Amino acid sequence: DIQMTQSPSSLSASVGDRVTITCRASQSISSYLNWYQQKPGKAPKILIYAASNLQSGVPSRFSGGGSGTDFTLTITSLQPEDFATYYCQQSYSTPFTFGPGTKVDIK
Amino acid sequence: QLQLQESGPGLVKPSETLSLTCTVSGGSISSSSDYWGWIRQPPGKGLEWIGSISYSGTTYDNPSLKSRVTMSVDMSKNQFSLKLTSVTAADTAVYYCARTGDKGTWYFDLWGRGTLVTVSS
Repeated sequence: DIQMTQSPSSLSASVGDRVTITCRASQSISSYLNWYQQKPGKAPKILIYAASNLQSGVPSRFSGGGSGTDFTLTITSLQPEDFATYYCQQSYSTPFTFGPGTKVDIK
Repeated sequence: QLQLQESGPGLVKPSETLSLTCTVSGGSISSSSDYWGWIRQPPGKGLEWIGSISYSGTTYDNPSLKSRVTMSVDMSKNQFSLKLTSVTAADTAVYYCARTGDKGTWYFDLWGRGTLVTVSS
């Protein structure tokens, strides 16, 4: 199985901050990397697919990058509604696996 | 607008079988490009992909569940289902059904609200 790690596991930030979350795969997954946002008590929501493609309806302050084993999710200007947990997911091979999550909370 | 909704018992006894159904509304489950999946999340923990199935019955599942998983599709009811046998407390989780709308990239673009299943006697 491909193992996914994320860093940091949590971070505190202020509204307007630029935030970057890193995801690393245990082997190369090309660009088969997706990012989700999850708020408490809610289902995850897709933000970015195939490493850098913004899902329709997702604000442009979210962006993704990377390929191979190292990926990033960047939020350019953090908004109050962005405080949530973010997960990466590899879709290169089954079993599809998720990272452990990065919780973004208010400083 | 396509929507997914999970249903099933919220409490299952250890060693019994967990059975959940996901009803697809606002569209057809028979799309050749879609796969229908199950993902679970133990309380306070991360996400685990259980498996996915196409309308024609092609399945992909997670070997970590050691063949305890059976998935099926009922096109007449626009539903797909999950059965997980021999459950233990470790199977207590929120279970989500989700769609993969692009099997080339295999991301989950539409999710149900989730249903909590507790395994306890």
